[in-house]
Amino acid sequence: EVQLVESGGGLVQPGRSLRLSCTASGFTFGDYAMSWVRQAPGKGLEWVGFIRSKAYGGTTEYAASMKGRFSISRDDSKSIAYLQIISLKTEDTAVYYCTRSRIISGTYVFDSWGQGTLVTVSS
Amino acid sequence: SYELTQPPSVSVSPGQTASITCSGDKLGDTYACWFQRKPGQSPVLVIYQDAKRPSGIPERFSGSNSGNTATLTISGTQAMDEADYYCQAWDSSTVLFGGGTKLTVL
Repeated sequence: EVQLVESGGGLVQPGRSLRLSCTASGFTFGDYAMSWVRQAPGKGLEWVGFIRSKAYGGTTEYAASMKGRFSISRDDSKSIAYLQIISLKTEDTAVYYCTRSRIISGTYVFDSWGQGTLVTVSS
Repeated sequence: SYELTQPPSVSVSPGQTASITCSGDKLGDTYACWFQRKPGQSPVLVIYQDAKRPSGIPERFSGSNSGNTATLTISGTQAMDEADYYCQAWDSSTVLFGGGTKLTVL
């Protein structure tokens, strides 16, 4: 069974940094791209970015609004994907989900989601 | 990139058919996916590649994508289908989500 467990969320002051983790199990982690999606209170889903598998270069892509402060990395030996956020702003308050991204007919499909971790940015 | 536009809300009676649309300038050039999100739960993929259902998703969920509009159709809607639904598509290497539609089963 595919499982994705996010951790690292909590209450953080504006301007600080945070690293979220997504620990995967139940599948060969290194074969898949991994994405991060967030949902602010009362808002819709917002894509943060994703990291390709090593077979596809392990490169990253980010939403235009996320470039610069958000960084995604992965450790295939530990089956963990990371999301680093620097210079946190109150508007970064959201539940952050990691998703497994499966290539189907040349496009990535978010076929499994974690339970999410809440990040609250407040002084 | 372009935007994906969904109606904020759709209402349907139990047993009837619900249709949720997603419009975008280039949507017809790519595949659309749909996600269901119930309160307190994580999103669940219900349709991918416009019309395919993942394993475990009931047959009453179907999808289509033509022109600039993708449509999620739920036939014989049940109370358990009440949720927020989001369409999603790729534009080059960027992911787009629609604003979400709250489906109410009255």
